[in-house]
Amino acid sequence: GQNIDQPTEMTATEGAIVQINCTYQTSGFNGLFWYQQHAGEAPTFLSYNVLDGLEEKGRFSSFLSRSKGYSYLLLKELQMKDSASYLCAVPFYGGATNKLIFGTGTLLAVQP
Amino acid sequence: KAGVTQTPRYLIKTRGQQVTLSCSPISGHRSVSWYQQTPGQGLQFLFEYFSETQRNKGNFPGRFSGRQFSNSRSEMNVSTLELGDSALYLCASSLGDKGEQYFGPGTRLTVT
Repeated sequence: GQNIDQPTEMTATEGAIVQINCTYQTSGFNGLFWYQQHAGEAPTFLSYNVLDGLEEKGRFSSFLSRSKGYSYLLLKELQMKDSASYLCAVPFYGGATNKLIFGTGTLLAVQP
Repeated sequence: KAGVTQTPRYLIKTRGQQVTLSCSPISGHRSVSWYQQTPGQGLQFLFEYFSETQRNKGNFPGRFSGRQFSNSRSEMNVSTLELGDSALYLCASSLGDKGEQYFGPGTRLTVT
């Protein structure tokens, strides 16, 4: 089976750095996605990691360790607009499908 | 290119009724996936269609069904609605066999 764990909520201060962790257990591995979802809106793609290491994209970076079943999303220079839910997801492993298994999401609140 | 569109955006139904939701993927995308999002369960996979074929189905009762048309547009149907079906229903499309999924704004279904 496949299982994903993330913290439910986090709080951080504007201008600071925050790290959102995600651990997963899968029977196979086809990469890991991070999505951002503002309240009442659709999830939007942030990153996709398939190899170990850190990938940086502006203020956002994502890290993957396949041997540890672990990923994190790093947000730098936090802005109020970064207040959102951050979803970690892995593709279902087994057959041809685009099915994604999502964690429950981490609700990030950025305070002034 | 236009994004994923879903209609209607909001819907109120009573128990026992049925409902049909529609999703138009990004032009050229052949894979359409449906997800149910609730506060308690997060994003749960319903089913995925690729070139009019259902490739995978989530753990939902038979009251939930879907289909995909030759133009890749997809519909999902829920019959005999229950209060617990109240949720945000999200549709996502993908260009190829696997990869990044682009989400629509969702249909907010309320069952009273």
